[in-house]
Amino acid sequence: GENVEQHPSTLSVQEGDSAVIKCTYSDSASNYFPWYKQELGKRPQLIIDIRSNVGEKKDQRIAVTLNKTAKHFSLHITETQPEDSAVYFCAASIYQAGTALIFGKGTTLSVSS
Amino acid sequence: KAGVTQTPRYLIKTRGQQVTLSCSPISGHRSVSWYQQTPGQGLQFLFEYFSETQRNKGNFPGRFSGRQFSNSRSEMNVSTLELGDSALYLCASSLESDHGYTFGSGTRLTVV
Repeated sequence: GENVEQHPSTLSVQEGDSAVIKCTYSDSASNYFPWYKQELGKRPQLIIDIRSNVGEKKDQRIAVTLNKTAKHFSLHITETQPEDSAVYFCAASIYQAGTALIFGKGTTLSVSS
Repeated sequence: KAGVTQTPRYLIKTRGQQVTLSCSPISGHRSVSWYQQTPGQGLQFLFEYFSETQRNKGNFPGRFSGRQFSNSRSEMNVSTLELGDSALYLCASSLESDHGYTFGSGTRLTVV
């Protein structure tokens, strides 16, 4: 089955710096890659997603890149702010008859001001 | 519009008991998935339902089961509870299986 590795497990940056979180997946059939942000005690929230027919997607300060050949995808956050501090999860799935999101272990991002 | 609603928010059960958790998806969403979240294992997929049919199942023992009703509401049941079942159980819904999933706030289950 699918396996998703996520690195780093913790990331500390200064406000205004950029943050990059990387994930690799094992199943070349995966075609949907969402990113979720989970603040302490709250639900995971979808922040951006990308499908396998797209190499890059951007939404304001957040961007995701996908390299299908290498089977890895990355989350880029620019101009980080303290409110970006949270746990970020990547996931991969194969849409066939139904979707099972397979998550990475998460990255705890701390942005200090 | 109302989000994904999970009830109850907290549960304390004794080993050997069974428990039923409920999830009401966003209106119009027909795909409902369940996940178990623990500090050690992270977010793990349990199962996914679409139009009352289970279409995917994760690698969990048969003690974990679920169902979906005609109004898309879903329940999951855990029988013969073990201490290791203590976790946050999250439900997520989507319009279709290939759209982004919206998570509920979860049910925190503690088994003592």
